[in-house]
Amino acid sequence: QQQVKQSPQSLIVQKGGISIINCAYENTAFDYFPWYQQFPGKGPALLIAIRPDVSEKKEGRFTISFNKSAKQFSLHIMDSQPGDSATYFCAASIFIGGGNKLTFGTGTQLKVEL
Amino acid sequence: GAVVSQHPSWVICKSGTSVKIECRSLDFQATTMFWYRQFPKQSLMLMATSNEGSKATYEQGVEKDKFLINHASLTLSTLTVTSAHPEDSSFYICSARVVAGGRHEQYFGPGTRLTVT
Repeated sequence: QQQVKQSPQSLIVQKGGISIINCAYENTAFDYFPWYQQFPGKGPALLIAIRPDVSEKKEGRFTISFNKSAKQFSLHIMDSQPGDSATYFCAASIFIGGGNKLTFGTGTQLKVEL
Repeated sequence: GAVVSQHPSWVICKSGTSVKIECRSLDFQATTMFWYRQFPKQSLMLMATSNEGSKATYEQGVEKDKFLINHASLTLSTLTVTSAHPEDSSFYICSARVVAGGRHEQYFGPGTRLTVT
């Protein structure tokens, strides 16, 4: 199975700080890279996504940085808030069989402290 | 928009029984839905791709006779765990594919917690 490596496994950030989560992939056929936020007992919710022809995408406090040559991408959460405390998954999508198929990273448990 | 629901949200069943989980797209039609399994503090693992009107495509290592998938309409896919055992206890999450502007997005349901005793 195609792998997406994610780090760190857990992260503690002070309120107002910057949370940074990193992911790396091997398969250059991946063509879409979404990030998901998951609260306990809930399904993942799409947060932000990027295509490999773009190096950065920003939506509000969330920014994805993408390095195609290094096959790495990261999520930056600016001005982190306690409400951002959740598990974050990066994913990579490959177009196969007429549609996309997602491979998820291992997840990062973020805790934002007051 | 793009709301996906699952029912039930949690279920407890006895070993050897079968349990059905429903996944519905509430405000859109989905020709393709996906079923994932998630163990505590772990990632989502794709189990199968459910296509309306045709057989599901299972990922390697997933027993198709144990995890029966039926996608009978454009808004409903069901996952039936047959002859459930304690090791089948997990969080099952479905997603529905939305195609818009040439892009394919997956929207996830809230998940179903299955506990087999």
